[in-house]
Amino acid sequence: SQTIHQWPATLVQPVGSPLSLECTVEGTSNPNLYWYRQAAGRGLQLLFYSVGIGQISSEVPQNLSASRPQDRQFILSSKKLLLSDSGFYLCAWRFPGGTEAFFGQGTRLTVV
Amino acid sequence: KQEVTQIPAALSVPEGENLVLNCSFTDSAIYNLQWFRQDPGKGLTSLLLIQSSQREQTSGRLNASLDKSSGRSTLYIAASQPGDSATYLCAVRPGAGSYQLTFGKGTKLSVIP
Repeated sequence: SQTIHQWPATLVQPVGSPLSLECTVEGTSNPNLYWYRQAAGRGLQLLFYSVGIGQISSEVPQNLSASRPQDRQFILSSKKLLLSDSGFYLCAWRFPGGTEAFFGQGTRLTVV
Repeated sequence: KQEVTQIPAALSVPEGENLVLNCSFTDSAIYNLQWFRQDPGKGLTSLLLIQSSQREQTSGRLNASLDKSSGRSTLYIAASQPGDSATYLCAVRPGAGSYQLTFGKGTKLSVIP
């Protein structure tokens, strides 16, 4: 069976500090990978997706970047966090050509 | 641009009641629709997925229906239990080649013992 891991679960970072959130998927190969953000009072917003190693597509211009150094690893980064980067970040995956999306447990990021 | 709306934003019902959650979308050209459950501070758990060619899907006490032409889906929960308390989200996928899900803001359900 497939599992998705996201860490850390919670993070408090000062403005201007760097960020690295990690997501890994086990039990499958070449998954489609996604980063979503859920801000208070708003729906989930797709930030990045990847269909393969080194392939990243950005949906929303912002202060964040994503990388996929390995097949089942997806990393969300920032060089300098802003207050507006606070939110709940969710990683998700889907089988290539699959229909259903599966989500991780999320990371609560608070920028202070 | 696809927009997904969920009404009501919050719902409180007594235990044992049957209930319906609503989801509407503005562009009927969808590939599928997925219902999720989100517990406070947690990730999303997939409940049901309906392909555009399907009318409904069932899993246990849950039944999801889809009326693509009218841009509506409902999630029916039978004999509600306190453990059903959570936020329920619906999301649509525009096409088979689309990587994005467009989400509603969710309905927060409270089932009172």
